[in-house]
Amino acid sequence: NAGVMQNPRHLVRRRGQEARLRCSPMKGHSHVYWYRQLPEEGLKFMVYLQKENIIDESGMPKERFSAEFPKEGPSILRIQQVVRGDSAAYFCASSPAAGEVTEAFFGQGTRLTVV
Amino acid sequence: RKEVEQDPGPFNVPEGATVAFNCTYSNSASQSFFWYRQDCRKEPKLLMSVYSSGNEDGRFTAQLNRASQYISLLIRDSKLSDSATYLCVVNIPRGSYIPTFGRGTSLIVHP
Repeated sequence: NAGVMQNPRHLVRRRGQEARLRCSPMKGHSHVYWYRQLPEEGLKFMVYLQKENIIDESGMPKERFSAEFPKEGPSILRIQQVVRGDSAAYFCASSPAAGEVTEAFFGQGTRLTVV
Repeated sequence: RKEVEQDPGPFNVPEGATVAFNCTYSNSASQSFFWYRQDCRKEPKLLMSVYSSGNEDGRFTAQLNRASQYISLLIRDSKLSDSATYLCVVNIPRGSYIPTFGRGTSLIVHP
């Protein structure tokens, strides 16, 4: 039973390019959360998705960032026209159900470097 | 006020020491609490859930104080391998429940 899979593990983009980060949840999990972690900082919530639905995107920057979780395939976090400040580790987590008692399982993260 | 607050440390302790971390949360309607461990440049991994009655797992004990809105993690007989960042996580009700992280407390165990 594979865990949460994220790819790529490392991604280098030049300023102005697009970055696409992928997350395949654990088998049987239909809830996905994306977080961003800057160096020496905690994990900041970005967006919560269920299959084909964005449930909560209150942590997502209003511009350049988008997320989706299609019926088939992985969840995608997309960053358009990247800037140096987007350099961070992006973690995806999945859970089997929503609710107050659910614990989340994390992927290994994608480290984005904008040059 | 931040939703989940932790003292970032670092806590620098010798092997065998007992160390305790606290975490406070602002939303009294929060119901679920966890401690995660994060090693340098790795993903967070669940250490233990925190139950109302308190719970223990080997050298680790977690407690919840709802009246004061804080949770704690106690590590007894510290090992070198315990060196990591310990993240307090609270499922905050915001329409849906969102796992919300504290900044983390850094622990360094030295020989």
